[in-house]
Parts: sequence; C-alpha cells; structure tokens
Amino acid sequence: GAGVSQSPSNKVTEKGKDVELRCDPISGHTALYWYRQSLGQGLEFLIYFQGNSAPDKSGLPSDRFSAERTGGSVSTLTIQRTQQEDSAVYLCASSSDRGRPYGYTFGSGTRLTVV
Amino acid sequence: AQSVTQLDSQVPVFEEAPVELRCNYSSSVSVYLFWYVQYPNQGLQLLLKYLSGSTLVKGINGFEAEFNKSQTSFHLRKPSVHISDTAEYFCAVMYNQGGKLIFGQGTELSVKP
Repeated sequence: GAGVSQSPSNKVTEKGKDVELRCDPISGHTALYWYRQSLGQGLEFLIYFQGNSAPDKSGLPSDRFSAERTGGSVSTLTIQRTQQEDSAVYLCASSSDRGRPYGYTFGSGTRLTVV
Repeated sequence: AQSVTQLDSQVPVFEEAPVELRCNYSSSVSVYLFWYVQYPNQGLQLLLKYLSGSTLVKGINGFEAEFNKSQTSFHLRKPSVHISDTAEYFCAVMYNQGGKLIFGQGTELSVKP
C-alpha cells in the first residue's frame, strides 16, 4: 500500500481483556517496528521484526505483550489482560532496507484506552 | 547506554522568529541521526536525516540541522517559523545500520502570532 496502515485507529477496552493491534507495512518493506507513545513519555521501542523473525524484542514491557509477523508483511501486537498503564498510542513503522538507514515510515497509530 | 536527550520539553516562540531545538546523543563510533515532526493528532513524519557526508542537512518545510560530532549534538533550526510549525519534534538516533531508532522525549514547539 501507499503507507503504513494500522487498525483499529481507536480502541477502548475493559481492564483484564485481551486486545490485538494490527499493522500493515508498506509493501516490500522487510523491517517492521512497534513503538508505544505515552503522554509525556516520548516514544518507547517495543519490538523489531526483520522478515518474520524478531531479532530485538527487548522493549516489550512484560510477558503480557507479544507480537508476530506473518508472510513478511502484516504484524499483530497482542496485549493480554490489559491494565490501565497500557493506555497509550501504539505506533508501527516499516523500513525498506537494512543496507541503508533511510528512516522509518510511521503509521497513524492505534490509541488504546483501558478503562 | 545509548540515549538521546532533547534539552527543552517546550519551546514557545513568536511567528517569524528563529528557533533552535536542541538534541544530544550518547557518543558512539557511528550514528545516523533523524528529526521527526508530529502534528496534532497525526503520525510522525520525517523532517530530515544525517547519514554521512556534509554535516549540515536540509529538510522539508525550511528546517535544517547540523551534526556536530565533537559535541555529540544534532540541533534543529529554522530561521523564521510559521504558525503551522506548531507541533512536537522528536530527535532520534540509530546506532547500528538497520537497527532500532532511539527517540528523545520530544520538544513541543508552540508558535504564537
């Protein structure tokens, strides 16, 4: 597609429920990144995919968070047993080439609110 | 540890005045440096990047930044700001080619008439 697409754009969920956030990267982009943006916290790295594998998942805050990527394309970030501190904007980005760091293209994000 | 520091969380400025948004990073042999802008309720957009070569980098919307290796800085500048430049600006560093971007905390630029 023309850009990085994330869905849903907004999600309100009850504490304790599981949520899935989806990211469709730009076609052909091999690298995919998830970040979390909390109020006043800047952008926090969560996980990085190269193809379908995740060489760096060091930013996942707890074992309630997991992510997968299939077919070298779509990625899903799953948060189990959501807590109020999980409320944030979750941003996905993709990048075309490890050989030259052109920088990422970001999606518009999913705003998650846990009530 | 790899880190990025944006020294000002908020920068208020009047329209047509010059502005500088400061960014420092923890030292490394090689780095790639980026500035992103986030307009209200929108995603992040790449303003400019430094990969190699000339230390003065020009980006979109009249912004430029200068890489200073000795100072480990990558400050963003614009000689004359517009109301439409009101946004949050993020400095980011990539320490390994193809690796993750590490972001600063952001600087909120507020341009007033």
